[in-house]
Amino acid sequence: QVQLVESGGGVVQPGRSLRLSCAASAFTFSTYGMHWVRQAPGKGLEWVAVISYDGSNKYYADSLKGRFTISRDNSKNTLYLQMNSLRADDTAVYYCAKDRGNLAYIFDYWGQGTLVTVSS
Amino acid sequence: EIVLTQSPGTLSLSPGERATLSCRASQSVSSSYLAWYQQKPGQAPRLLISGASSRATGIPDRFSGSGSGTDFTLTISRLEPEDFAVYYCQQYGNSPRTFGQGTKVEIK
Repeated sequence: QVQLVESGGGVVQPGRSLRLSCAASAFTFSTYGMHWVRQAPGKGLEWVAVISYDGSNKYYADSLKGRFTISRDNSKNTLYLQMNSLRADDTAVYYCAKDRGNLAYIFDYWGQGTLVTVSS
Repeated sequence: EIVLTQSPGTLSLSPGERATLSCRASQSVSSSYLAWYQQKPGQAPRLLISGASSRATGIPDRFSGSGSGTDFTLTISRLEPEDFAVYYCQQYGNSPRTFGQGTKVEIK
């Protein structure tokens, strides 16, 4: 069964950085695009970023304004999200999600999420 | 950016009843690239439907999707206790890909 396990969330002060990880198993990680999607407390879903199967293409939500970087290590079956200059409105549960293909933007499996709280 | 508006915001129904959820797009969704997700409290979303009407693997046939252009519908033919949740539509045909704000299906 496909499994995605996020880690790295926590409480961080505004302006600081945080790196999230997502460990994938039970599928051929290196052949699928991967996404980060976030959900602020009590709010809806917001797509954050995607990376192609081989890491050669990366796309981001315009609202992030270059503060976040998505990456992957196919040798470790792991997806990352480097978040810099964090703001209070970045507070959310961050989900990693598997793309049905490479860049189909259909999220067919999701992790359980990791909570990031930006607060002083 | 395509804005997806879901209605109603909350749907109060009893088990066994039929649920009809609407998702309206601010402009036409390319090639019916519209998906539906279910999210239960404290859980991650789950893919139900893609391509407006194709059920994902393992999704019961009481869930069906329809529509094209700007108007899409998710129908749950007979609500089971486990179907009470929040449902989101998502368009993936145009950049940026966007979600609707969700419809909560609650027990009446």
